Amino acid sequence: DIQMTQSPSSLSASVGDRVTITCRASQSISSYLNWYQQKPGKAPKLLIYAASSLQSGVPSRFSGSGSGTDFTLTISSLQPEDFATYYCQQSYSTPRFGPGTKVDIK
Amino acid sequence: EVQLVESGGGLVQPGGSLRLSCAASGFTFSSYEMNWVRQAPGKGLEWVSYISSSGSTIYYADSVKGRFTISRDNAKNSLYLQMNSLRAEDTAVYYCARTCSGGSCYSTRGFDYWGQGTLVTVSS
Repeated sequence: DIQMTQSPSSLSASVGDRVTITCRASQSISSYLNWYQQKPGKAPKLLIYAASSLQSGVPSRFSGSGSGTDFTLTISSLQPEDFATYYCQQSYSTPRFGPGTKVDIK
Repeated sequence: EVQLVESGGGLVQPGGSLRLSCAASGFTFSSYEMNWVRQAPGKGLEWVSYISSSGSTIYYADSVKGRFTISRDNAKNSLYLQMNSLRAEDTAVYYCARTCSGGSCYSTRGFDYWGQGTLVTVSS
């Protein structure tokens, strides 16, 4: 099984900050990597697919990069509505999510 | 507007059964692959099961294999999850989620629409 890790597990940031979240796969998954945002009590929302493609309707301050085993989600200028938990998900094999990164207000 | 509405959750005793439903609208249900994803209270996301658009291909997570059965009725625009031999560790919010169609979103099996979830509690 392909294991996914994320770092950090949580972070505190201010509005306007640049935020970077890292996701690592236990083996190469090419670009079979998606990112989701989840707010408390809500369903997850697809942000990025295929490692770097922005889902329709998602603000351009979100971007993704990486391939193989190491991936990054970047929020260029954190907005109040971006405080949430972010999950990566690999689909190279049986879908598996990372443990999540909680972004809260500093 | 795409909508996915889950129902059927509730409190069930260990060893019991429950059937979840997901009613789809706003898109051609029969053209899309579908999934169930769950989230235990305060925990992360766990993919549970996948079904192809025709229903001919099905996959399960090891944690539910042999106990859960996914199915769909394209005439009724509905997805189902039959859950048997339930355990305390199956307690979670269960979401139905649509697989993207077209292009690299489909090839990487992103889940582009989700329902609001239905809570399943397994407890005596």
